[in-house]
Amino acid sequence: SQTIHQWPATLVQPVGSPLSLECTVEGTSNPNLYWYRQAAGRGLQLLFYSVGIGQISSEVPQNLSASRPQDRQFILSSKKLLLSDSGFYLCAWSGGAYGYTFGSGTRLTVV
Amino acid sequence: QKEVEQNSGPLSVPEGAIASLNCTYSDRGSQSFFWYRQYSGKSPELIMSIYSNGDKEDGRFTAQLNKASQYVSLLIRDSQPSDSATYLCAVEEGGGADGLTFGKGTHLIIQP
Repeated sequence: SQTIHQWPATLVQPVGSPLSLECTVEGTSNPNLYWYRQAAGRGLQLLFYSVGIGQISSEVPQNLSASRPQDRQFILSSKKLLLSDSGFYLCAWSGGAYGYTFGSGTRLTVV
Repeated sequence: QKEVEQNSGPLSVPEGAIASLNCTYSDRGSQSFFWYRQYSGKSPELIMSIYSNGDKEDGRFTAQLNKASQYVSLLIRDSQPSDSATYLCAVEEGGGADGLTFGKGTHLIIQP
């Protein structure tokens, strides 16, 4: 069966510090991968998606970036965090008739 | 810009009653529709998917789709306290891998 792993679960970072969140998927090959953010009082916002290694599409201009170095690995990064980057970050994968499956999420607080 | 609208609630329903959640979407090109349940502090989990007009039933859940009216709904029969959560409506443009567009969710409270 397919599983998706996301870490860390919680993170507190100072403004201006770098960020790296990692997501890996098991039990499937060539999945479509997504990074979403859920800010307080707001809906899920699509940040990036990837249909294959090295292929990244950005939905929202921001100081975040994403990379897909391996088929089942998706990384969200920032060189310098802003207060507005705080939120609940969710990785998801899609494959066929299963809809979209989300990881357990990372709650990021920028202080 | 694609938009998905939901009443934020809270929607309060007595235990054992039917909970009715509604969603409208703006993009007529949308082909796939999903309902997710999200408990506080947790990630969304898929409850139902629906792709064609009409009703789709799965246990206590029924999803309804009307593409002409750009309207999706979720009915929860015999509501239980464990159904208390935020329900997210999501749509996907047909054939694309460019992700889901979500509504902000409806907060459902089942009163014992």
